[in-house]
Amino acid sequence: QSALTQPRSVSGSPGQSVTISCTGTSSDIGDYNYVSWYQQHPGKAPKLMIFDVIKRPSGVPDRFSGSKSGNTASLTISGLQAEDEADYYCCSYGGPYTLVVFGGGTRLTVL
Amino acid sequence: QVQLVQSGAEVKKPGASVKVSCKASGDTFTTSYIHWMRQDPGQGLEWMGIISPSGETTSYAQKFQGRVSLTRDTSTSTVYMELSSLRSADTAIYYCARDKDTRMVTPTDWGQGTLVTVSS
Repeated sequence: QSALTQPRSVSGSPGQSVTISCTGTSSDIGDYNYVSWYQQHPGKAPKLMIFDVIKRPSGVPDRFSGSKSGNTASLTISGLQAEDEADYYCCSYGGPYTLVVFGGGTRLTVL
Repeated sequence: QVQLVQSGAEVKKPGASVKVSCKASGDTFTTSYIHWMRQDPGQGLEWMGIISPSGETTSYAQKFQGRVSLTRDTSTSTVYMELSSLRSADTAIYYCARDKDTRMVTPTDWGQGTLVTVSS
């Protein structure tokens, strides 16, 4: 069982927007702005898409955005494209004993 | 951007140990914290631990305490992850990743992954 809770799957049509949620606790997401999001295509390593809740690494399209409210973080992808179909994982600081915790992952299907 | 290249796939028997390497290119590796994660086939990601730039400091997830060891050879820009007392549940893809800064919370640049299969 993962430390952070994500929906198993979401879907959307090209051009639409989708939001993936990631729920933690007041000890991780709620207390720290150290949420990151990763995109993983089949057979590939994860790729950092968002860090520090809202920041995008260089080269990541601005269609990807992050936010946080209380113990829940969210990743929104606007203007869905076929290449966005992938698994998405959230990640947060997990405290002094397990520094990093991940969500169970969400499969995004572009219809 | 730092590129991380991991060693090849391994097949081990239950009870054995495995040592996976992660070699980096680029000057920033010498100042980078390195994370290790694993991913069960078709499943999610799990954080295992982190090692400091000097190799003197490590932190491990509670689940792996006593079974995992991270070491670092600064002369060859290589980090090693050794997992002992292997069982079938340790069959997974193991990833190393460089952190973007010293806060140790954002695995940023990832290696390609190493499949470790534990089978009798």
